[in-house]
Amino acid sequence: GAVVSQHPSRVICKSGTSVKIECRSLDFQATTMFWYRQFPKQSLMLMATSNEGSKATYEQGVEKDKFLINHASLTLSTLTVTSAHPEDSSFYICSAKLAGSSYEQYFGPGTRLTVT
Amino acid sequence: AQSVTQLGSHVSVSEGALVLLRCNYSSSVPPYLFWYVQYPNQGLQLLLKYTSAATLVKGINGFEAEFKKSETSFHLTKPSAHMSDAAEYFCAVSVMDSSYKLIFGSGTRLLVRP
Repeated sequence: GAVVSQHPSRVICKSGTSVKIECRSLDFQATTMFWYRQFPKQSLMLMATSNEGSKATYEQGVEKDKFLINHASLTLSTLTVTSAHPEDSSFYICSAKLAGSSYEQYFGPGTRLTVT
Repeated sequence: AQSVTQLGSHVSVSEGALVLLRCNYSSSVPPYLFWYVQYPNQGLQLLLKYTSAATLVKGINGFEAEFKKSETSFHLTKPSAHMSDAAEYFCAVSVMDSSYKLIFGSGTRLLVRP
């Protein structure tokens, strides 16, 4: 149980285009999802907290207009990287918090974004 | 504010040897602490968690960690390393507000020598 999927697993896009990454909780409801960014050989940096039905809360230094987050249902959150540039290339990981739980988070397998 | 510090970006052990990965935390309130493992190009898998119950926590794959308040530590151990344990390990602390978002340490890469 408690499986989180991400789609796509890998994506290559051209500079200036937008790309959408989906995060789904497959067998549980998640009122809160988190989006992380991980650079090679580095730790995970929290980008934003996404709550179902409300606006996401972005961490300091994260451009909300560049990284659009939508959490339209209890099982789906999306991250859209708008007008992508090579410096946006990274590994993006989402996690979903079990509804009704204070701390149980389950992580997706990650999405490798490469911007050329 | 909560934070974690992982000492040692790389730890190398021989197969069969003791594994010790260090994590120290900072928190003004009783923390929730976690250890995660990450294999290359994959997400994170929870190894174990401390949520203010027993101070010695047992996790998956033979790992365990002990919460020591006096030392503000939550070190991860395994009595005998296996080649399959080679991975990146992250210690994390939960922010004790309504979000319970996680703050991660910098990670420790465990290398296991045959």
